[in-house]
Amino acid sequence: SQQGEEDPQALSIQEGENATMNCSYKTSINNLQWYRQNSGRGLVHLILIRSNEREKHSGRLRVTLDTSKKSSSLLITASRAADTASYFCATEVNGGFKTIFGAGTRLFVKA
Amino acid sequence: DAGVIQSPRHEVTEMGQEVTLRCKPISGHNSLFWYRQTMMRGLELLIYFNNNVPIDDSGMPEDRFSAKMPNASFSTLKIQPSEPRDSAVYFCASSLALAGGGTDTQYFGPGTRLTVL
Repeated sequence: SQQGEEDPQALSIQEGENATMNCSYKTSINNLQWYRQNSGRGLVHLILIRSNEREKHSGRLRVTLDTSKKSSSLLITASRAADTASYFCATEVNGGFKTIFGAGTRLFVKA
Repeated sequence: DAGVIQSPRHEVTEMGQEVTLRCKPISGHNSLFWYRQTMMRGLELLIYFNNNVPIDDSGMPEDRFSAKMPNASFSTLKIQPSEPRDSAVYFCASSLALAGGGTDTQYFGPGTRLTVL
């Protein structure tokens, strides 16, 4: 079964609106990462948050991590049509190199 | 740096044929990952290497799949014999393992789109 699971599976919003995606995981982690994948392309790393961090910002991105609830959220503010992509959370399991990806959230931003 | 390089970008083959996918990781990275992505199963980790040594191959679907990393700058994923259900996009990624354990950001290649007829 997936370690990380994103919610919702798909999200459609208007340009300028904020987009929030959630990720839940099952076991203790070293860090949690968010990646973006444009159609037909490889994944691109967006942001990494370590298990001892609670919030992190990068440009229009804001990531939170709640280790007590084993969940994370990715907020994209003032969305643009170019943000249309699939977004994946990936968790690195404690003690190992293994990073496990969730099923992803498909975001569609309408111009 | 050119990033992670994969070849070929597209491969169409017939069932039963041998397929070899190639990956050149980013110079200096010591961890390498092979993933498979399909609509049905999403992104699956097949195998990963650290310092050229396979650490976990539990994601390799069956004996038809094998992966090697003869040196720090090259890895192959081989499918022999190939089957239609192997059709997918195969990604290679590399990263730098951290001294205290775990890895940093993974950098993905563009993928190889495999179609087995």
